[in-house]
Amino acid sequence: NAGVMQNPRHLVRRRGQEARLRCSPVKGHSHVYWYRQLPEEGLKFMVYLQKENIIDESGMPKERFSAEFPKEGPSILRIQQVVRGDSAAYFCASSHSQGAGNTEAFFGQGTRLTVV
Amino acid sequence: QKEVEQDPGPLSVPEGAIVSLNCTYSNSAFQYFMWYRQYSRKGPELLMYTYSSGNKEDGRFTAQVDKSSKYISLFIRDSQPSDSATYLCAMRGYQKVTFGTGTKLQVIP
Repeated sequence: NAGVMQNPRHLVRRRGQEARLRCSPVKGHSHVYWYRQLPEEGLKFMVYLQKENIIDESGMPKERFSAEFPKEGPSILRIQQVVRGDSAAYFCASSHSQGAGNTEAFFGQGTRLTVV
Repeated sequence: QKEVEQDPGPLSVPEGAIVSLNCTYSNSAFQYFMWYRQYSRKGPELLMYTYSSGNKEDGRFTAQVDKSSKYISLFIRDSQPSDSATYLCAMRGYQKVTFGTGTKLQVIP
């Protein structure tokens, strides 16, 4: 998967707690995408970020979810006050540029969030 | 109407069969087309990436794009049990990648 690192791989949270999911993109990639995947369903776009900027958050729930991609360090997807319906696999992908060429996205192995 | 529609699975074929996986799309702005393979409990793995209409071959895999019909396909020749996975089509214009819901393929020995 070309070096996209996500951690933790598995995360268990009680209802009402906060979940923090981290994604380190491929070295040199400045575009990060977050997706959610429910069992037996496809990938659902959540948010697209470039360094220090949110470009498209049309797939993010309006409340409790936030994402950032700081100048230094990994991208973080934060879910506050988790509920059982947040249980899913969350995947991060990164890409190099938006111009022609080298625009394919590479994925991490995902973080499986379980809310109990 | 979804931007990307993918043929429903699951699809079950005998070993050695030719597999055809398809997606249609409605957004004319899509320029780049990808196929990913996802094994259970793993992240999607990029299989094929194409830009223009036509065919692109890589080993047993052939990706086909028909922009005039807004239709893309992935063909797998001489399918193997190790090809059993979920296959997702994906496409993008200038910004975010949009995925199909995936087709689950099972190749039976």
